[in-house]
Amino acid sequence: GQNIDQPTEMTATEGAIVQINCTYQTSGFNGLFWYQQHAGEAPTFLSYNVLDGLEEKGRFSSFLSRSKGYSYLLLKELQMKDSASYLCAIVNTGFQKLVFGTGTRLLVSP
Amino acid sequence: EAGVAQSPRYKIIEKRQSVAFWCNPISGHATLYWYQQILGQGPKLLIQFQNNGVVDDSQLPKDRFSAERLKGVDSTLKIQPAKLEDSAVYLCASSLVAGGNNEQFFGPGTRLTVL
Repeated sequence: GQNIDQPTEMTATEGAIVQINCTYQTSGFNGLFWYQQHAGEAPTFLSYNVLDGLEEKGRFSSFLSRSKGYSYLLLKELQMKDSASYLCAIVNTGFQKLVFGTGTRLLVSP
Repeated sequence: EAGVAQSPRYKIIEKRQSVAFWCNPISGHATLYWYQQILGQGPKLLIQFQNNGVVDDSQLPKDRFSAERLKGVDSTLKIQPAKLEDSAVYLCASSLVAGGNNEQFFGPGTRLTVL
């Protein structure tokens, strides 16, 4: 089976940097996704990591350590529109399906 | 490029009634997924299709839920009879193929309330 842990909620200030952690246990691993989901909307793709290291894309970066079962999403220069839930999901090697964590709700305040 | 379409957007029914949801994936996407997202939780995969065949339905409550993907394009998800605990958002997603770095594109979802 799989187990994915993320903090339930985080708060940060506009312009700051925030790191959202995700730890996982799985018998088969074929990559990790981060999705952003605004309230009442569909999840949208942010990043994909399959190799160890940091992937940078604008204000967002994602890091993966497969040996530690650990990933983080780093958001820089926070904006009010970044207030959303951030979902960590691992790709299962069995049927190549996504298994989602419960998500981290980020609240950005002025 | 048109996104994943779903209808209806909202549905309110009483328990023991039946309901059906429709999904039209992005053109050319072979893989289609139905997820259930209960408030405050992440999406949970119910069923995954590759073209018109079922790849994984291990978490689909088959005594009340059914799904089909006619001709490998559109898909419908049905609940009969509905229970209170089925209240959730039902998300449809599609991808070119399954797995690896193949990004899943999600539709806007159908919010189901069972009274």
